[in-house]
Amino acid sequence: AQSVAQPEDQVNVAEGNPLTVKCTYSVSGNPYLFWYVQYPNRGLQFLLKYITGDNLVKGSYGFEAEFNKSQTSFHLKKPSALVSDSALYFCAVRDRGNFNKFYFGSGTKLNVKP
Amino acid sequence: SQTIHQWPATLVQPVGSPLSLECTVEGTSNPNLYWYRQAAGRGLQLLFYSVGIGQISSEVPQNLSASRPQDRQFILSSKKLLLSDSGFYLCAWSVSTGKTGELFFGEGSRLTVL
Repeated sequence: AQSVAQPEDQVNVAEGNPLTVKCTYSVSGNPYLFWYVQYPNRGLQFLLKYITGDNLVKGSYGFEAEFNKSQTSFHLKKPSALVSDSALYFCAVRDRGNFNKFYFGSGTKLNVKP
Repeated sequence: SQTIHQWPATLVQPVGSPLSLECTVEGTSNPNLYWYRQAAGRGLQLLFYSVGIGQISSEVPQNLSASRPQDRQFILSSKKLLLSDSGFYLCAWSVSTGKTGELFFGEGSRLTVL
């Protein structure tokens, strides 16, 4: 079965510092991986995806993610955090057995303090 | 450009009452459509997905049902709501061709069952 795990329930970082939100995956074959952000009482917004090619993927709002096949990870990063980045972040994987299905991690709450 | 609409945004219903949540997509044809439920502001549970009119796949047997009466319309229903049906319901769509596209989410419908 395809799955992703987000080992941190919450991440705290000071504004201006770099941030990392972790995601590991369990997928047979090459994974299709995604990151989303959710603000309170809103739908999820797409940030970026990894399909193939360069292991460093750049996305919206200055976010990037690094795909690491040997560590089966797809961590979300940003060089300098903003207070407005505080939100719930989800990693997701597209099921390679059934491409119509997407599975999400449990979410990581990012708190950026001034 | 494509847009996705969900309504109602908020709903408070008594136990045993019926439910109808509606989702429509504009600006695309033959999308894949999805219903997810998010409990307690965390992980997303895939409830139903549809690859075409009248084609519904159920992921979790439960008190809910889904229908797709038109190409870009997806409805989530229940005949008798349970307390456990409370949650944040998210509709999403993806392109039906190819295997690398992402999901696009609506703004969600918050259901409280009393």
